[in-house]
Amino acid sequence: GENVGLHLPTLSVQEGDNSIINCAYSNSASDYFIWYKQESGKGPQFIIDIRSNMDKRQGQRVTVLLNKTVKHLSLQIAATQPGDSAVYFCAENRYGGATNKLIFGTGTLLAVQP
Amino acid sequence: DGGITQSPKYLFRKEGQNVTLSCEQNLNHDAMYWYRQDPGQGLRLIYYSQIVNDFQKGDIAEGYSVSREKKESFPLTVTSAQKNPTAFYLCASSRIQRTDSPLHFGNGTRLTVT
Repeated sequence: GENVGLHLPTLSVQEGDNSIINCAYSNSASDYFIWYKQESGKGPQFIIDIRSNMDKRQGQRVTVLLNKTVKHLSLQIAATQPGDSAVYFCAENRYGGATNKLIFGTGTLLAVQP
Repeated sequence: DGGITQSPKYLFRKEGQNVTLSCEQNLNHDAMYWYRQDPGQGLRLIYYSQIVNDFQKGDIAEGYSVSREKKESFPLTVTSAQKNPTAFYLCASSRIQRTDSPLHFGNGTRLTVT
């Protein structure tokens, strides 16, 4: 929402640079992770997901890395554009588990400077 | 275009009044959800419904009520019993209530209670 950026960690990057957004997940039993993008005043949009049988998954200009040892997830955005400015957050659960058990992170505000 | 429509985008109410937030989807999804989003917090699940005429409490159901009389519609009522109703409310749907069935979100309703 409009205020979701308040109190959030902020990553400020120059247009054209690569961005790395991090997420620490909480449940060792989680084996499915999703990244969402939320622009101001809008609902979250699915970006990319990854299952724990993979360490890396690539999409269009985005890559998600999973480090199960330290329970860490990162989203890399290549050649960041002004349209990438948004709040990004991760979610975790068991693959095929109940959606009501999804745990959402608090998010990181990505600010792209032209 | 298929999607989820939440209305209105902004809603203002006085304390002590009940208010109903609308959510309609034309994705033919069985499962629908209501989340609440507050600054600096992850999405929190209020209620969810797996099928028409059935719904379950989420993590923060107190002070809220829902109905699911039609597959397309899942309205949320914020009652006067909800202690902190001012928030951004997000409706979502998925084909089935499983994490491998992606969530589709509406653009939210910002409720302000004074």
